[in-house]
Amino acid sequence: EADIYQTPRYLVIGTGKKITLECSQTMGHDKMYWYQQDPGMELHLIHYSYGVNSTEKGDLSSESTVSRIRTEHFPLTLESARPSHTSQYLCASSEYLTSGTDTQYFGPGTRLTVL
Amino acid sequence: SQQGEEDPQALSIQEGENATMNCSYKTSINNLQWYRQNSGRGLVHLILIRSNEREKHSGRLRVTLDTSKKSSSLLITASRAADTASYFCATDDFPNNAGNMLTFGGGTRLMVKP
Repeated sequence: EADIYQTPRYLVIGTGKKITLECSQTMGHDKMYWYQQDPGMELHLIHYSYGVNSTEKGDLSSESTVSRIRTEHFPLTLESARPSHTSQYLCASSEYLTSGTDTQYFGPGTRLTVL
Repeated sequence: SQQGEEDPQALSIQEGENATMNCSYKTSINNLQWYRQNSGRGLVHLILIRSNEREKHSGRLRVTLDTSKKSSSLLITASRAADTASYFCATDDFPNNAGNMLTFGGGTRLMVKP
């Protein structure tokens, strides 16, 4: 089992609400990621971080924002949730290796439903 | 953009049978990895094969890589009902794409019937 945690596991909210999805890892990994995944579909990278104070946008355009103030913590925030944000959000982390190998460890995910 | 594409998209077999899933990709890679995802959960890393390797084994898993065809296969032997999950391939593209980002395929949904 990977030491990476996400809360909440399930969230149902109304349109326009501000939400923060939490992700923490205790493995001391420098790199962290947020993916969006619709049920049974591929993963889309929406944000990643190389380390503290580093954040980058991924391949999929997202209205969410992230922060990386501490190595172990990588929260994702939606300022104003919309039904189109309904999806599963997966957080992952990996060690930064110069060898080019990048095995990722995933949290259990947050399933978000916006009404 | 999607790099890996799994085939088939869904596979249903009986317990004890072998399951084979294929992954094709478009660009040169450093390595290719397979992950498993149980319903409603995160992904779990299964096995990594480097671009200079052709075959790798781990327990009941056998992975092959053909870089000339840009394809990989995952074989699960003597399948069990507990193997029911989605299986994703992921490539670490070469040259280095912004720090070894992984690109995931769409997955194969495997159902193993008891």
